[in-house]
Amino acid sequence: GEDVEQSLFLSVREGDSSVINCTYTDSSSTYLYWYKQEPGAGLQLLTYIFSNMDMKQDQRLTVLLNKKDKHLSLRIADTQTGDSAIYFCAESIETGGSYIPTFGRGTSLIVHP
Amino acid sequence: DGGITQSPKYLFRKEGQNVTLSCEQNLNHDAMYWYRQDPGQGLRLIYYSQIVNDFQKGDIAEGYSVSREKKESFPLTVTSAQKNPTAFYLCASSLTGLVFFGAGSRLTVL
Repeated sequence: GEDVEQSLFLSVREGDSSVINCTYTDSSSTYLYWYKQEPGAGLQLLTYIFSNMDMKQDQRLTVLLNKKDKHLSLRIADTQTGDSAIYFCAESIETGGSYIPTFGRGTSLIVHP
Repeated sequence: DGGITQSPKYLFRKEGQNVTLSCEQNLNHDAMYWYRQDPGQGLRLIYYSQIVNDFQKGDIAEGYSVSREKKESFPLTVTSAQKNPTAFYLCASSLTGLVFFGAGSRLTVL
């Protein structure tokens, strides 16, 4: 199976909250990341969390980490049409000074009026 | 203006030709990476480099080559040995575990 798993699609109404979920397999992960990709563009680092944290909040974004279940979630409050994009979850561990992110397949978030 | 610059943004290649994708960063990051993205797929690691003159194969290195002669540059060559090279290629760099990406290069083999 894949190291990082995400559901492929999420559809929400504008103004509602969006919750994108992710599971990962490596219990020694150091960083867990959320990236946003708009059509034809590169990946934008939205937020990240250290593995020794449970929660991180940054304006409309809230990241929750459940290490026991190896579950990561991204909540976007007051979702706007500009939030429509693909969201990638990634994990990395530190090996010999290198951090190598492993990515999920991405969740397409569709925001409709 | 700091960042990661990939060029060209679009590239067309005939079968049997090698092509080199450029990646330059002025963030003073030590580590650099190349990933490949196919439609509906996550990113797969091709090569990474932690320091100048050293690089490691990723999960799908066959048919690709890289060099790291300068800290700020990490070019990727897609060789004719790569069986299915049409894809979106993403370069990244990092310092202390935060990984940032360039805008990508889309390669199409005709």
